[in-house]
Amino acid sequence: SQQGEEDPQALSIQEGENATMNCSYKTSINNLQWYRQNSGRGLVHLILIRSNEREKHSGRLRVTLDTSKKSSSLLITASRAADTASYFCATGPNTGANSKLTFGKGITLSVRP
Amino acid sequence: AAGVIQSPRHLIKEKRETATLKCYPIPRHDTVYWYQQGPGQDPQFLISFYEKMQSDKGSIPDRFSAQQFSDYHSELNMSSLELGDSALYFCASSLLGLAGEKYFGPGTRLTVT
Repeated sequence: SQQGEEDPQALSIQEGENATMNCSYKTSINNLQWYRQNSGRGLVHLILIRSNEREKHSGRLRVTLDTSKKSSSLLITASRAADTASYFCATGPNTGANSKLTFGKGITLSVRP
Repeated sequence: AAGVIQSPRHLIKEKRETATLKCYPIPRHDTVYWYQQGPGQDPQFLISFYEKMQSDKGSIPDRFSAQQFSDYHSELNMSSLELGDSALYFCASSLLGLAGEKYFGPGTRLTVT
């Protein structure tokens, strides 16, 4: 069953603007992670937020997590053309050895120069 | 820093043939995960191994099998290939206790003709 559901599915913005992407999930989680994927390439880990955290920053990235609403948002500030990629949220049920990630459908971000 | 290595990067096979994909995790990582990503789809979990034992199983067809060897590298064996098996196959590794963060390889693009 689908866990993370991102919205919007596609986002086009101008360089310098902020991009906000949302993700919702269905089951209880231990952590939620965001990944970036350039076209046809590997998945690059961006940021992990634990279920007991509400907000986390990493450079131009800000992630929020609302476990009561089972949702997360990824904010990219001052976007650059190089941020053009697909973004996935993925949830982890626990931190043990069996903790596979369940991915949602990606959001395609296009940043126009 | 060393990353996850996958080989080959590209593979073209015909229907009903067999393919073997290899994954070399980050040194000292003890868990390997395999994911399949169809065109325009989100990554789907196939199978994982912890300390050379299968730890979890997802939507892996019976035609596929995998194992983790004593040096921690893993192989995904795919037999009786079908057109629908054409996809990007990702391997990820992690270390128990690293709070769920997974490191993904660049992927193997399998094309079945």
